[in-house]
Amino acid sequence: DIQMTQSPPSLSASVGDRVTISCRTSQSISNFLNWYQQRSGSAPRLLISAASSLQSGVPSRFSGSGSGTDFTLTISSLQAEDSGIYFCQQSYSFLTFGQGTRLDIK
Amino acid sequence: QITLKESGPTLVRPTETLTLTCAFSGFSLSSNAEGVGWIRQPPGKALEWVALIYGNNDKRYSPSLRNRLSIIKDSSKNQVVLTMTNMDPEDTAAYFCALTPTDILSSTWFDPWGQGTLVTVSS
Repeated sequence: DIQMTQSPPSLSASVGDRVTISCRTSQSISNFLNWYQQRSGSAPRLLISAASSLQSGVPSRFSGSGSGTDFTLTISSLQAEDSGIYFCQQSYSFLTFGQGTRLDIK
Repeated sequence: QITLKESGPTLVRPTETLTLTCAFSGFSLSSNAEGVGWIRQPPGKALEWVALIYGNNDKRYSPSLRNRLSIIKDSSKNQVVLTMTNMDPEDTAAYFCALTPTDILSSTWFDPWGQGTLVTVSS
């Protein structure tokens, strides 16, 4: 099984801050890595597919990077509506989600 | 517009069988290049992939749950049905269905998702 480790588990940042969330896998997964946002009480929403492809309708302040075992989701200028939990998901071997990173706005 | 909506019991007893239905619109699930998956989320915890069925009727299951699962599609009714046997309190979770625009597991991501349905397993 591919293990996924997200860090940090939680963070608090201010509007306008640059925020980075890390996802590390236990073995190389090429670029088979996706990112989701889950706002409180809602279903997850796909932000980034294939490590770096921004989905239609997702603000350009979101970006993804990485390949192999280390991946990063970056929010270039945090907005209040970005609070929620962020999950990474690999599809290289079956489908596995990370444990999530809770993002709060100060 | 693509929508998905889950339905099923909110409470099941331990050892019972759970049957959940995903009703969808905006696509047909008769094409090879799409599929519908089930993902669950225990309260306050992470997401866990459960099962997936493609338009060509290829089926994939989570290795840890495989022995308890069955997934079928009824394209004429635009529905996907998930069955999970021998339910346990640890299966208490919100169950989501979601579309994947591919027929290749290694390229699978989910978008959009249904609103989810909470299933509690308790005697």
